[in-house]
Amino acid sequence: ELKVEQNPLFLSMQEGKNYTIYCNYSTTSDRLYWYRQDPGKSLESLFVLLSNGAVKQEGRLMASLDTKARLSTLHITAAVHDLSATYFCAVDYTSGTYKYIFGTGTRLKVLA
Amino acid sequence: EAGVAQSPRYKIIEKRQSVAFWCNPISGHATLYWYQQILGQGPKLLIQFQNNGVVDDSQLPKDRFSAERLKGVDSTLKIQPAKLEDSAVYLCASSFGTVGYEQYFGPGTRLTVT
Repeated sequence: ELKVEQNPLFLSMQEGKNYTIYCNYSTTSDRLYWYRQDPGKSLESLFVLLSNGAVKQEGRLMASLDTKARLSTLHITAAVHDLSATYFCAVDYTSGTYKYIFGTGTRLKVLA
Repeated sequence: EAGVAQSPRYKIIEKRQSVAFWCNPISGHATLYWYQQILGQGPKLLIQFQNNGVVDDSQLPKDRFSAERLKGVDSTLKIQPAKLEDSAVYLCASSFGTVGYEQYFGPGTRLTVT
């Protein structure tokens, strides 16, 4: 069964600092998705990574995918308070049927 | 473009009662998903529809949960009878396709079973 693990689970960081969230998964897949969830809100799609070496950037967030290492990273540059949220990665794959599995989530708090 | 609509937003019921949730996906989206999100966890896929056919319902507790998607558009998720452990947020999402497509989520229904 596919497992998707994120670390850290909790991250408290100062404004202006850089940090990276890691997403590891346990089966072969070329596709990985990042979502953001604000407290009490629903999920919002951030990035769709569809091949090995894919890199996407939006504002202070940059996501990359290494399918050989089964690893995706979400890099935060010069964090600001508005980035405080929970970030989820998700992986899809087909093994008999189509599966879509979310990671454990990383709760990010950016301190002013 | 209208987003994914869900109702109700909140529901409180007693255990052993039944409850139904409704979802209207984004127009033109063939794929519809129902997720259960327990507080502090990631969403868990319960069932996925492609048009009005079920693609995957392997994690749906079929003894108490049921779902349908009539005419390939709106969908309902029902729980009967509810248990305390069913307290969670139920999220509906839709996408244009499956492989490689981002999902668009509705606001969710927060269910409390007492």
